[in-house]
Amino acid sequence: EVQLVESGGGLVQRGGSLRLSCEASGFTFSNYWMHWVRQAPGKGLVWVSRMSGDGSSATYADSVKGRFTISRDNAKNTLYLQMNSLRAEDTAVYYCVRDPALAAIWGQGTLVAVS
Amino acid sequence: QTVVTQEPSVSVTPGVTVTLTCGLTSGSVSTTNHPSWFQQTPGQAPRTLIYSTNSRSSGVPDRFSGSILGNKAALTITGAQTDDESDYYCVLYLGRGVWVFGGGTKLTVL
Repeated sequence: EVQLVESGGGLVQRGGSLRLSCEASGFTFSNYWMHWVRQAPGKGLVWVSRMSGDGSSATYADSVKGRFTISRDNAKNTLYLQMNSLRAEDTAVYYCVRDPALAAIWGQGTLVAVS
Repeated sequence: QTVVTQEPSVSVTPGVTVTLTCGLTSGSVSTTNHPSWFQQTPGQAPRTLIYSTNSRSSGVPDRFSGSILGNKAALTITGAQTDDESDYYCVLYLGRGVWVFGGGTKLTVL
């Protein structure tokens, strides 16, 4: 079964850091671009970042550029999002998503709350 | 800054065909934007319906279809059902590695 499982969310103070993880299974992880998408409470989906299958290319939304870093470990089938200098407006459910251009698979999400 | 536009809310009667659209504040949507459509019910993760303009994701009923209509991407639900009442989001690739979601459409079926 194709699956994405996020972890690492929680409550953090403003200015703090958190690292999210997304473990993939059921497909060849290294063949796919992987994305992070977030959704603030009661709001819409917002694209955050993406990384190429081999980890050589990454792109960020302007709102997180310079604060968030996406990375991956293909040996562990895991995608990461390092979030630094967190702000109240970063409070959201963070979803790991397999390439929207190729029948996106979504994880169940992990909640990040910045107080 | 280019924004992706969607109707905030749409209402439809059961059995009727409805089309939701996804546009750009600057320019036209084309297949090179790889438009994809997602359905989300409260408290759940989104579910992929359509990807790359008109490819239906596995398990999605064939009453859902995607296309380019004029200068926008479109999601058509042929014969809407009460179970289709959800939030619908589109996403577009804008180039230079950047993807942007629309604000979502709340579909009411009654």
